[in-house]
Amino acid sequence: DADVTQTPRNRITKTGKRIMLECSQTKGHDRMYWYRQDPGLGLRLIYYSFDVKDINKGEISDGYSVSRQAQAKFSLSLESAIPNQTALYFCATSALDSPNEQYFGPGTRLTVT
Amino acid sequence: AQKITQTQPGMFVQEKEAVTLDCTYDTSDQSYGLFWYKQPSSGEMIFLIYQGSYDEQNATEGRYSLNFQKARKSANLVISASQLGDSAMYFCAMREGLRYGGATNKLIFGTGTLLAVQP
Repeated sequence: DADVTQTPRNRITKTGKRIMLECSQTKGHDRMYWYRQDPGLGLRLIYYSFDVKDINKGEISDGYSVSRQAQAKFSLSLESAIPNQTALYFCATSALDSPNEQYFGPGTRLTVT
Repeated sequence: AQKITQTQPGMFVQEKEAVTLDCTYDTSDQSYGLFWYKQPSSGEMIFLIYQGSYDEQNATEGRYSLNFQKARKSANLVISASQLGDSAMYFCAMREGLRYGGATNKLIFGTGTLLAVQP
């Protein structure tokens, strides 16, 4: 089984809809991240979390919210989706004492029409 | 501000040849880490290699090696004996250094280099 899983893997939604992307990990890592990938722009950080009570904004948090339901679960929500949020979304995990380990989920391809 | 620069949008290499993908970085941190990831057309991010800023030896992982030149702030990826399966997008990323309260371990990515291996 994969260490970091994301659901759904693909999603098409309409403008204005609320959508949630979910991430689960079995690594036991304390740190979790949501990144967004757009063509030609690499990956950019949306939100990150140190633990269930510690949520931080990343570079491009506008239009997004997150929830850390448990150490192993970190969800990303688009409250009112817009077409320019069409992108590939990655969840990642790492541990404080292992900075050389960064594990990515398989990605969620989101299309907003 | 921290930044990763990959100046090669695309590269071609013949099968079995070596190829170097360039990466330069900008940071004022003394302690940081550099990563290379491979992203095939299927989309997943595959970890290739890591170099810590205090590591004295260049990192190697099988056919991958990282040519780390700290004074020049470069961390080029060298792939030896290229294979057709190496065709993919390659990203260089930097982990920021320590901050008050502990390292966030968040990554800053370059824009990537698309490598095509030709038979």
